[in-house]
Amino acid sequence: DADVTQTPRNRITKTGKRIMLECSQTKGHDRMYWYRQDPGLGLRLIYYSFDVKDINKGEISDGYSVSRQAQAKFSLSLESAIPNQTALYFCATSDPLLAGDTGELFFGEGSRLTVL
Amino acid sequence: GQQVMQIPQYQHVQEGEDFTTYCNSSTTLSNIQWYKQRPGGHPVFLIQLVKSGEVKKQKRLTFQFGEAKKNSSLHITATQTTDVGTYFCAGGGSNYKLTFGKGTLLTVNP
Repeated sequence: DADVTQTPRNRITKTGKRIMLECSQTKGHDRMYWYRQDPGLGLRLIYYSFDVKDINKGEISDGYSVSRQAQAKFSLSLESAIPNQTALYFCATSDPLLAGDTGELFFGEGSRLTVL
Repeated sequence: GQQVMQIPQYQHVQEGEDFTTYCNSSTTLSNIQWYKQRPGGHPVFLIQLVKSGEVKKQKRLTFQFGEAKKNSSLHITATQTTDVGTYFCAGGGSNYKLTFGKGTLLTVNP
């Protein structure tokens, strides 16, 4: 079984609908991240959380919100989906050895979202 | 904010040829990581470089971190079809976040 699990793996929705992507991990890591991948644009950070009570905006947080329900769970919501949010979304975790380090990212399998 | 530029965007090689991808940061990095993403897959960590001028090898892969800690390269010797995928660099700054380059898609003709 995957250490970082994302659901759903694929979702097609319509403009204006609310969508939640869920991520759960069994690695015991405190740090969790949501990234968005678009062709030719690489991976861009949406939100990240270093602890259950910690939520931080990334470089492209507009139109998204997150919830860290527990150490193992980090969900991403699109309150009112729009077509340019069509993308591949990745959840990731890390557990750096040093306080000032990022640490290796462990990615989930990805959630492909299409907004019509 | 911090920007990480990666070139080339695409590289097609014949099996057995060498391959290199380069990353340049607009700011000094605390570290740089490299990831590989197979087609249809998710990024998988390859390595992290921390020290100025650091060179690390993993079999046919050689990773370098520049003296100024603003650039890095990944070199693959004698590519194989199993090397196909997108290679990303990711620069670590002072804010505990990674900034990813846009990646280099490597295709290998057998």
